[in-house]
Amino acid sequence: AQKITQTQPGMFVQEKEAVTLDCTYDTSDQSYGLFWYKQPSSGEMIFLIYQGSYDEQNATEGRYSLNFQKARKSANLVISASQLGDSAMYFCAMREGMDSSYKLIFGSGTRLLVRP
Amino acid sequence: DAMVIQNPRYQVTQFGKPVTLSCSQTLNHNVMYWYQQKSSQAPKLLFHYYDKDFNNEADTPDNFQSRRPNTSFCFLDIRSPGLGDAAMYLCATSRTGSTDTQYFGPGTRLTVL
Repeated sequence: AQKITQTQPGMFVQEKEAVTLDCTYDTSDQSYGLFWYKQPSSGEMIFLIYQGSYDEQNATEGRYSLNFQKARKSANLVISASQLGDSAMYFCAMREGMDSSYKLIFGSGTRLLVRP
Repeated sequence: DAMVIQNPRYQVTQFGKPVTLSCSQTLNHNVMYWYQQKSSQAPKLLFHYYDKDFNNEADTPDNFQSRRPNTSFCFLDIRSPGLGDAAMYLCATSRTGSTDTQYFGPGTRLTVL
């Protein structure tokens, strides 16, 4: 079974509007971490935001916020006030376990295109 | 200032000709990772080092090897590249592994002719 599911292969958003990128995950661990990365066409993976499974509040980093719904096992990324430079591939990723697990499991990604 | 550096950014090699990709970091992180990302796919972990301890993923082909001579540098060696090894290779680092974020370099795009 897929561990990380991103159901939106592609999304459009108008500049200055907000957009939500969906991510659902599957794990039996109580401790895990959820990440969002942005990958522009240049190829570099840019860390955006992190949510720990025990964090009670939704993570926020500037224009990025994570809508964490633990019972639903979803961790959607919300980008507010979209900019043209936000056009990129976005990956949701999960790391299971808190001790010796180093592996990031990535979703298949969502390609976001911001329209002027 | 770049914190995870990969060289070269683009590498062209011939089928079967060994190639080495380089990664260096200025973060003094304990863990270094190598990921393979094929076109339109998610990155896939090949292996990682925690300090000098090497950890290979079960499905990483034997064709792929790695060296970490010191904290700052890590190399990916592809002994006999095949056409199927053409991909973006991403290096990442993290301070430890428990809750720390992985920071990625810009990647090396490998073409196999």
